[in-house]
Amino acid sequence: AQKVTQAQTEISVVEKEDVTLDCVYETRDTTYYLFWYKQPPSGELVFLIRRNSFDEQNEISGRYSWNFQKSTSSFNFTITASQVVDSAVYFCALSGDTGRRALTFGSGTRLQVQP
Amino acid sequence: GAGVSQSPSNKVTEKGKDVELRCDPISGHTALYWYRQSLGQGLEFLIYFQGNSAPDKSGLPSDRFSAERTGGSVSTLTIQRTQQEDSAVYLCASSPRRRTSSTDTQYFGPGTRLTVL
Repeated sequence: AQKVTQAQTEISVVEKEDVTLDCVYETRDTTYYLFWYKQPPSGELVFLIRRNSFDEQNEISGRYSWNFQKSTSSFNFTITASQVVDSAVYFCALSGDTGRRALTFGSGTRLQVQP
Repeated sequence: GAGVSQSPSNKVTEKGKDVELRCDPISGHTALYWYRQSLGQGLEFLIYFQGNSAPDKSGLPSDRFSAERTGGSVSTLTIQRTQQEDSAVYLCASSPRRRTSSTDTQYFGPGTRLTVL
């Protein structure tokens, strides 16, 4: 069975602070994929990043960066110099490489960026 | 191009009535998923369609839930004899599921908020 844990239910920061959202996963698959999605107040899930289990390189995209560590089964997401527009619920998700490949989601972390 | 669309955006119904929720995937995407997002259960998988194959219904919570996908495109999720616990946001997602690719990103629609009174 697959499981994704996002232990941080809610985080509040002041604009321009850096913030890291934690994600820990469990799977027995040898090949799997990890995702982060953003859900702004409008409600739509917006895709941010996909990472496969063979690629442990960290990735940076503008103010966003992701740290994948297979040894600790973690896929953490950092926002540098946060902005009010970053306020949203962020979901980490996991899928296998066979069958339906449905996403198993964590419970989400609500990020509030105060001006 | 156009993203995943869902209709209606909001649906209020009375307990015991049937409802139909519609999903129009991204053109050319062969895989289609339904998920449900509720306060108590978070985001959970309901059903998966891939091309013309039989759907994977393993996530449907009861036999009151059914779904179909016509012509490999539009999908309808039907909930019969709705109960208050069915109140949730129903999300549809599609992905390319190319034969030669083992990586698929699911792109989500805006969801249908269902309220059962």
